[in-house]
Amino acid sequence: EVQLVESGGGLVQPGGSQRLSCAASGFTFSNYWMHWVRQAPGKGLVWVSRINSDGSRTNYADSAKGRFTISRDNAKNTMYLQMSSLRAEDTAVYYCAREGIAAEFDFWGQGILVTVSS
Amino acid sequence: QSALTQPPSASGSPGQSVTISCTGTSSDVGGYNYVSWYQQHPGKAPKLMIYEVSKRPSGVPDRFSGSKSGNTASLTVSGLQAEDEADYYCNSYAGVNNVFGTGTKVTVL
Repeated sequence: EVQLVESGGGLVQPGGSQRLSCAASGFTFSNYWMHWVRQAPGKGLVWVSRINSDGSRTNYADSAKGRFTISRDNAKNTMYLQMSSLRAEDTAVYYCAREGIAAEFDFWGQGILVTVSS
Repeated sequence: QSALTQPPSASGSPGQSVTISCTGTSSDVGGYNYVSWYQQHPGKAPKLMIYEVSKRPSGVPDRFSGSKSGNTASLTVSGLQAEDEADYYCNSYAGVNNVFGTGTKVTVL
C-alpha cells in the first residue's frame, strides 16, 4: 500500500525556517517524481515544487523561488522541503504527492500544518 | 503561473448531472493532455478522480468523466450522489510547473 507521511510542521516565527519531510513507503520511491502542494486555510490548492526521481531536477512556483528548496534522499525514501524567510502567507497545510504516469498526483499524504506567526 | 479558472460553485439534485469547467491558456490546458481532477472533502487530502483529461483511476466510479476542448477542460459528474458533495480542483501540467484551478464547491441539493 502506497503511503506518504509528512512531518515537521508547526508554529514558526516570520522570517524563520522550517524543514518538512515526506516519508514514502509501499512503492519504489526512487522511480517517481515527487511534489509539494499547499493549501492556505479556507483556500484552494497551490502547487509549490517538484523534484525528479534522482533529485537532479527541480522546479518551483514563483512564490517559492529563492526561499524554498526541495530535495530527496532515495536511500531513506524521504523527500524534503526546506523553507526559509517564511511569511504569514506561507501558513498552510502542506501536502506531499507522488506523480503518476501522466503528470497527475496519484497519491497524497495526509498533510501537515505550518503556521507562520509571532 | 496564474491559477486555472473554475466556477466557484455548482449544484444539482441527486441523480442529476453537473459539469465543472476549467479554463486555462495554450501554455497549460491547451498545450498538453495532462489535465487531472481532484475531489477534496473537508479536512481530507485531495483524491485523484481523472487524469490525462479523461482517464479514470481504478476505483473511481464511471459517473465521473472528463473532456477537453481547446484551453478548457471539463469534469462531469453524472447521477449525483450525496457523497459527491465536495470541492473539486483541476490541475494542468505546464512545462516547468503545474497549475491548479481555483476550485469548485459542488453541492448536492
